[in-house]
Amino acid sequence: KQEVTQIPAALSVPEGENLVLNCSFTDSAIYNLQWFRQDPGKGLTSLLLIQSSQREQTSGRLNASLDKSSGRSTLYIAASQPGDSATYLCAVRDWGKLQFGAGTQVVVTP
Amino acid sequence: DGGITQSPKYLFRKEGQNVTLSCEQNLNHDAMYWYRQDPGQGLRLIYYSQIVNDFQKGDIAEGYSVSREKKESFPLTVTSAQKNPTAFYLCASSLAGAADTQYFGPGTRLTVL
Repeated sequence: KQEVTQIPAALSVPEGENLVLNCSFTDSAIYNLQWFRQDPGKGLTSLLLIQSSQREQTSGRLNASLDKSSGRSTLYIAASQPGDSATYLCAVRDWGKLQFGAGTQVVVTP
Repeated sequence: DGGITQSPKYLFRKEGQNVTLSCEQNLNHDAMYWYRQDPGQGLRLIYYSQIVNDFQKGDIAEGYSVSREKKESFPLTVTSAQKNPTAFYLCASSLAGAADTQYFGPGTRLTVL
């Protein structure tokens, strides 16, 4: 059974620092991996999707890498801003279903 | 304006009552999903549907039921058999393929009194 882990559960950084968020999964037979952002009491917003054949995806200040062999993905957010404060969840897709991690809650202080 | 709508935003239910959560999408997506989110936990899949008139159980289907009579609608009923229904419920949709991004609605927070 696929297990997805995100460590740490919470993270606080000063504005301007780069954010590094980690996601690990136990079964490397995945279709893709997706990173989401969730604001308190809201739904999820898709940030990046990396197909299993890809090594990374970039969108603006966001960059996500995927290493299937080691079961890891990392989301980098450059030059963090207070508006980046949210919970970030990763999810892997296998056998047609998404398996989610519990998320990393990020606070960016001005 | 395309997207996924869920209603109501907040829902209160007395123990022993069934309640239905609405999910509608106008993205012309074939697949729709229901997830449950509890504090400090990731999302867990309740039910999903790849096409109209067909749906499959997810990881935690006990105490829930769904229907998919129309492509754009996928209502979830929380029955009295669900032992701990208080949670945040999220609906999502995607094109049918396994490689496709899932798009989420704003969620419904259900509280059992």
